[in-house]
Amino acid sequence: EVQLVQSGAEVKKPGESLRISCKGSGYSFTSYWINWVRQMPGKGLEWMGRIDPSDSYTNYSPSFQGHVTISADKSISTAYLQWSSLKASDTAMYYCASGIAVAGSSMDVWGKGTTVTVSS
Amino acid sequence: QSVLTQPPSASGTPGQSVTISCSGSSSNIGSKTVNWYQQLPGTAPKLLIYSNNQRPSGVPDRFSGSKSGTSASLAISGLQSEDEADYYCAAWDDSLNGVVFGGGTKLTVL
Repeated sequence: EVQLVQSGAEVKKPGESLRISCKGSGYSFTSYWINWVRQMPGKGLEWMGRIDPSDSYTNYSPSFQGHVTISADKSISTAYLQWSSLKASDTAMYYCASGIAVAGSSMDVWGKGTTVTVSS
Repeated sequence: QSVLTQPPSASGTPGQSVTISCSGSSSNIGSKTVNWYQQLPGTAPKLLIYSNNQRPSGVPDRFSGSKSGTSASLAISGLQSEDEADYYCAAWDDSLNGVVFGGGTKLTVL
């Protein structure tokens, strides 16, 4: 079964660092981009950026460039989203997603999401 | 403010048809294909339509997509209670070099 399995919910304090993960299985991990999508409480979907796991090439939304880092370890089929200094405004659900059986920029396989709560 | 513009809400009664619009520009919808996602309450988004009008395996043919110029539409026929969800359009944007989403449309089945 093709799936993306995300790490569990996190509760952090402002200023702390964090890395969440997304593990792909059931397909060739290095053949498809991994995207990260943010959804703030009660709000819509926002594309943050993506990574090509084969060579770790990334591109970011201008809104998130410099605020987060996307990386991947192809040896363990896992992509990461990390923050060096969290803010309360980073509180959100974060999804990883990939387009495996479809064309273009569409994303047909989604993780269940990782809830990140940042509060003092 | 989202790059793609959708109406915040839509509604219909069971069995009716409803259409959700998505407006963009030449750098996204005007030159790229449109995708639609359905997000049921408390769940991850699900791809509903890709490449303007293609349905992934398992998506009922009650759902259809179209595109004209810099706008796209999602049509749902034979509305069912389980269609009550948030719907998002999305496309690649050449100016931003990334994916842009619409703000989402909350569909209520009355």
